[in-house]
This record gives sequence, structure tokens and C-alpha cells, in this order.
Amino acid sequence: GAVVSQHPSWVICKSGTSVKIECRSLDFQATTMFWYRQFPKQSLMLMATSNEGSKATYEQGVEKDKFLINHASLTLSTLTVTSAHPEDSSFYICSARDLIWKRGGRGSTQYFGPGTRLLVL
Amino acid sequence: DQQVKQNSPSLSVQEGRISILNCDYTNSMFDYFLWYKKYPAEGPTFLISISSIKDKNEDGRFTVFLNKSAKHLSLHIVPSQPGDSAVYFCAASEGDKLIFGTGTRLQVFP
Repeated sequence: GAVVSQHPSWVICKSGTSVKIECRSLDFQATTMFWYRQFPKQSLMLMATSNEGSKATYEQGVEKDKFLINHASLTLSTLTVTSAHPEDSSFYICSARDLIWKRGGRGSTQYFGPGTRLLVL
Repeated sequence: DQQVKQNSPSLSVQEGRISILNCDYTNSMFDYFLWYKKYPAEGPTFLISISSIKDKNEDGRFTVFLNKSAKHLSLHIVPSQPGDSAVYFCAASEGDKLIFGTGTRLQVFP
């Protein structure tokens, strides 16, 4: 159980185009999903927290107009990189937290997707 | 400012021996700590966690120790197996968020 998928797994695009990445929780409902970014040999950096039915909460330094997040259902969140530039090339990973967390259960942690590698030319 | 630090970027251990991965943190308000394993081009996989009210948690070959006074936790893997070779991240929970360390690459050789 607790499987999270991401699509696409990798994408190459031209500078100036927009790219949408999907994150799905396959066997559980997730009111909260998280989007991370990882540069080579660096840690995972939280970009934003995506809440179902409401606006995402962005971390300091993350441009909300550039990284659009939509969490339209309990199993799907999308990240759109708008007007992508080469410096946006990175590994993007989402995670989902299931409803057990809300009922006070601890130890049910975030379940991560396999990641999406973005290369902007 | 890096709130969660893994000062050893890499560790090499012989198969069958113990692997000890270390992690330090600065924020005393963290209430939960987790270890994740990550292979290249994949998302992290949850391994084991510990609440700040405990000092040890064990799950099979994996044991996590927490020293709150020193703001230090460690992951022990014993016996180490070649399949354990991966990058290990420690993470600390701050409310809804996870703060990750920079990772330690573990290589287990025969």
C-alpha cells in the first residue's frame, strides 16, 4: 500500500514552454501533498505544500507564479513549471500524506513518488 | 541555514558489518525524526522513524538512536548487506513539513 506515482518520469522541453507534472496517490486519499526539488548531490528542498481544495503554501524563495500547484482531488496534485528556463532543470519529487495523520496517528509518514527529471534546453 | 546536517557525504562498509549513519540538528522543537533510503532517479523510501520522546527504535536490521541533549541521531544497520547501498537521508518533522539533511551515500562491499 501507500503508493505514489508521478508522471512523466522525465521531460525535456524548450526554454519558455510550460511543463505539467502530476502526482497521484494510488491507494489512499491525501489531503496534503508536498512538492520537493533536488539538485545534484544536494538535499530535497521543500517547495510547497499542496492542500486539497485550497491554495498551496509556498516556501520562502519559491515563486508561486512560476510554480503553479493545483490539488483538485484527494488523489491528484499537479505542479506546472511556467515559462521554464534552463535553471529550472532539476529533479522534482512529490509526496503524499494520508488521512491517518490527521487522526493523530504518527509514524504514517510522507510517501514519495519516484520523481520527475526536468531538463530545459 | 541548514537545520539538519549529515556531515559524512559517504560511508563504505564491508558486508556483514555494522553501518552507522549520523545526523545532527539544530532546532530543539523538532518532534519527530525519520530516515529515508534513496536510489538514483527514484523517490525516497521510508525506513524508520523515532519520536522525540524516545531514545531508541528498532525495526529488524535497522535501529535509530536519538540523543536529544546532543541534538544527534544515528541509524545503525546490522548486518549490512550489498542491497543497502544507497543514499540515506535523515529528516526532521516541523509541523507538517519535513526538513531533510544532505544525505550520506552508503556503499556495502562484499
